[in-house]
Amino acid sequence: KNEVEQSPQNLTAQEGEFITINCSYSVGISALHWLQQHPGGGIVSLFMLSSGKKKHGRLIATINIQEKHSSLHITASHPRDSAVYICAVGDTDKLIFGTGTRLQVFP
Amino acid sequence: DAGITQSPRHKVTETGTPVTLRCHQTENHRYMYWYRQDPGHGLRLIHYSYGVKDTDKGEVSDGYSVSRSKTEDFLLTLESATSSQTSVYFCAISEGQGDRELFFGEGSRLTVL
Repeated sequence: KNEVEQSPQNLTAQEGEFITINCSYSVGISALHWLQQHPGGGIVSLFMLSSGKKKHGRLIATINIQEKHSSLHITASHPRDSAVYICAVGDTDKLIFGTGTRLQVFP
Repeated sequence: DAGITQSPRHKVTETGTPVTLRCHQTENHRYMYWYRQDPGHGLRLIHYSYGVKDTDKGEVSDGYSVSRSKTEDFLLTLESATSSQTSVYFCAISEGQGDRELFFGEGSRLTVL
C-alpha cells in the first residue's frame, strides 16, 4: 500500500462545477503540500498546511490530522484549472509524493 | 516566481554516455533536490543537498551522482546513461525539508536511446 494515496486518479468536470480531490496518508507528518502541474510540465506549490484550512482565490485546502486526510477543493472550476494535482506529505527529513489526480475541465 | 533554472531542458543521448544536468537558483535556499518523474510513480527523490558540499542519497540514487560546489548550483550526473534513466528530472529548492514550501524548476526531459 502506498504511503500517499490520491483519489480520484482522473476527474472530468464541466466549467463551473465544484471539485474535490482527496489525499490520504499513512505516515506521521509535519506538513502536507498540494502542488499543481500544468500540461507544459512545470510544478507550482499551491498550499502547505499542517492543520485546519487554507484558502487562495477559488482554491481551498483542508487537512484532518487525526484522520490523516486532506482535501483540495476548487470552486467555480474553469478550463484553466485543468492540470495534475499532486499531494505530498512531509516531515523534517523527507517528502513523499502521491501519483497525482488529473483534472480536465471542459467549457 | 522563484529563480530556479534547469539546463538543458531537453536532451537525447545514447546508452553509455555521461550526462550532466544543472540546477541554478538565485534564492539562496539551503536545500536543493533532484527528483525524477515517471508515469505511474509520484516524484521520487534522487539526491538532495543541505549545503555546499553536503549531499545525501534519496530513494532512487543508484546510477546518479551529485555535486554542490556553490550555494546556487546543484549538478546531477549520470556517469553512464541507461534507458531506464529516460525520465523527466525536476530540481527543487526549499529553506527546509518536508515542512517548508518547495519551489520547482521547469524540468529537464532526458531520453536515453
